[in-house]
Amino acid sequence: KAGVTQTPRYLIKTRGQQVTLSCSPISGHRSVSWYQQTPGQGLQFLFEYFSETQRNKGNFPGRFSGRQFSNSRSEMNVSTLELGDSALYLCASSGGGINTEAFFGQGTRLTVV
Amino acid sequence: DQQVKQNSPSLSVQEGRISILNCDYTNSMFDYFLWYKKYPAEGPTFLISISSIKDKNEDGRFTVFLNKSAKHLSLHIVPSQPGDSAVYFCAATGSGAGSYQLTFGKGTKLSVIP
Repeated sequence: KAGVTQTPRYLIKTRGQQVTLSCSPISGHRSVSWYQQTPGQGLQFLFEYFSETQRNKGNFPGRFSGRQFSNSRSEMNVSTLELGDSALYLCASSGGGINTEAFFGQGTRLTVV
Repeated sequence: DQQVKQNSPSLSVQEGRISILNCDYTNSMFDYFLWYKKYPAEGPTFLISISSIKDKNEDGRFTVFLNKSAKHLSLHIVPSQPGDSAVYFCAATGSGAGSYQLTFGKGTKLSVIP
């Protein structure tokens, strides 16, 4: 069974640009969550989607948005990039129930210059 | 305000000995806890979880203990192996505490010395 796949693995963008990251969950998983990892803040929750609906959102500005498609694949978009957005962005998939394990992809390393 | 705390940023253990990683939480609505292991430049790998209705869960060399009254959990690795060297994250979730999201501690870097 294939794991969670994130593309691209590495990305370099300029301040002010926008970026779209992609995540394909484990087959059969309908929930996709996104997390940001930085050295100072650790792993922080961005948002979670289930059956194309956002069920929960973390404390990030509106520049961070996401969506989920009918095949459960998800994209995350960051507009008007800032230097502080440089981070490892991780996607996790699960079956979607409460209190279940989430399985992570390898992440996308975004560098904003 | 950190709801999940891992107060030891690092831990060194001799190969073959026990590694004990600790985690404290403040939100009483958390009722499901997970441990993840992470290597640099990779995503976290799920290790083991425990529900608040249990106080212990075992999977091979890994055992997680939960003390609800103290809001404390620990991960025991016995015996420790050099391949266990990684950063370990404690995470918590719960139906009344921000459903469908994991709240992570800052991690403990474990070094297992051969």
